[in-house]
Amino acid sequence: EVQLVESGGGVVQPGGSLRLSCAASGFTFDDYAMHWVRQAPGKGLEWVSLISGDGGSTYYADSVKGRFTISRDNSKNSLYLQMNSLRTEDTALYYCAKDILRPISSHGYFQHWGQGTLVTVSS
Amino acid sequence: QSVLTQPPSASGTPGQRVTISCSGSSSNIGSNYVYWYQQLPGTAPKLLIYRNNQRPSGVPDRFSGSKSGTSASLAISGLRSEDEADYYCAAWDDSLSGPWVFGGGTKLTVL
Repeated sequence: EVQLVESGGGVVQPGGSLRLSCAASGFTFDDYAMHWVRQAPGKGLEWVSLISGDGGSTYYADSVKGRFTISRDNSKNSLYLQMNSLRTEDTALYYCAKDILRPISSHGYFQHWGQGTLVTVSS
Repeated sequence: QSVLTQPPSASGTPGQRVTISCSGSSSNIGSNYVYWYQQLPGTAPKLLIYRNNQRPSGVPDRFSGSKSGTSASLAISGLRSEDEADYYCAAWDDSLSGPWVFGGGTKLTVL
């Protein structure tokens, strides 16, 4: 059974940093690209970032480009999101999601989701 | 403002058929697959429809998807109280601003 467990959320001041983690199990981790998707309180879903199965390719939403960095450690079956220069508008529940393909492709999609970790940016 | 446009709300009575629309453009729905996700209250999104009209195993055949041009629709027949949830469409976008886009979501109320 696929399991994705996010951690690392918390309260941080504007301008601060936070590192999110997603522990994966139940599948061969490096066979699949992975995503981060966020949801602000009471709002809809927003795609944040994507990394290929081998970690060699990444994509970011314009809203986080230059501030967030996605990475993965396939030896630890873990996905990460380093978030710097945080803004109040980054406050959201952050989900990691498993793709169905290893490379980044328009034929991939979000197949399984974790339960999310909450990030609150507030002074 | 979401790239894909969905009605903010929809409703129906048990047993009815309801449809939720998702409107996009040539760079997303017009040239790529559409996906639908169901988010029950307080839970993570769940894949409902993939590649326009395919259902993952375990999803009842009451749910169906279709696409035409730059628009897509999710239909739910035989509406049940447990279908009350938020529904989101998603698609890959060929433009430069990031590959994945979502609709703003539609809250379905079963009256």
